[in-house]
Amino acid sequence: EPEVTQTPSHQVTQMGQEVILRCVPISNHLYFYWYRQILGQKVEFLVSFYNNEISEKSEIFDDQFSVERPDGSNFTLKIRSTKLEDSAMYFCASRQTTTSGANVLTFGAGSRLTVL
Amino acid sequence: AQSVTQLGSHVSVSEGALVLLRCNYSSSVPPYLFWYVQYPNQGLQLLLKYTSAATLVKGINGFEAEFKKSETSFHLTKPSAHMSDAAEYFCAVSRAGFQKLVFGTGTRLLVSP
Repeated sequence: EPEVTQTPSHQVTQMGQEVILRCVPISNHLYFYWYRQILGQKVEFLVSFYNNEISEKSEIFDDQFSVERPDGSNFTLKIRSTKLEDSAMYFCASRQTTTSGANVLTFGAGSRLTVL
Repeated sequence: AQSVTQLGSHVSVSEGALVLLRCNYSSSVPPYLFWYVQYPNQGLQLLLKYTSAATLVKGINGFEAEFKKSETSFHLTKPSAHMSDAAEYFCAVSRAGFQKLVFGTGTRLLVSP
């Protein structure tokens, strides 16, 4: 069964450092997403991406965050200067359909980011 | 704005017992509702979804959920728990035509022999 692959599974970084989380969505999917879950809290929407541009973003997704699809397969989330509160599990997801309707997202296993 | 509330961060059942995980939603428009499951070290996997068709929705692994508009609920049930059902379960809501899923805080299901 096709799956969404995320790397790294766990990254530890110092506050202020840049971090790039990588995702390989399912090959024929067109919509891509990042969500995050701070320990003990809700899974929160960060951003959605379609046709090489951001289609929606949350208030969490400030100027410190960016996404891109550099080579047509990888989908990356960059945090420019990490803060302690960025420590969380980050989930990538992708969706196939181009029509509106139920959003059946396929999620990756997540990347755990720990900021010290 | 849409939201979901999952009652109980942890639910413990014995193997063979009924599983009931509660989810209540808030939405100003007809919602789409989802249950996802996360096994240890794995991603979020779709269990089932409600998209305004039948109110009783059957999913994978013997789970089902019933959409009750009068109670704004979408509780997840399984008649007989199995050890392999131990996982974290997330309820989520979205609006038709919109991409954003809004998740609950999750419920960890513990199954004892």
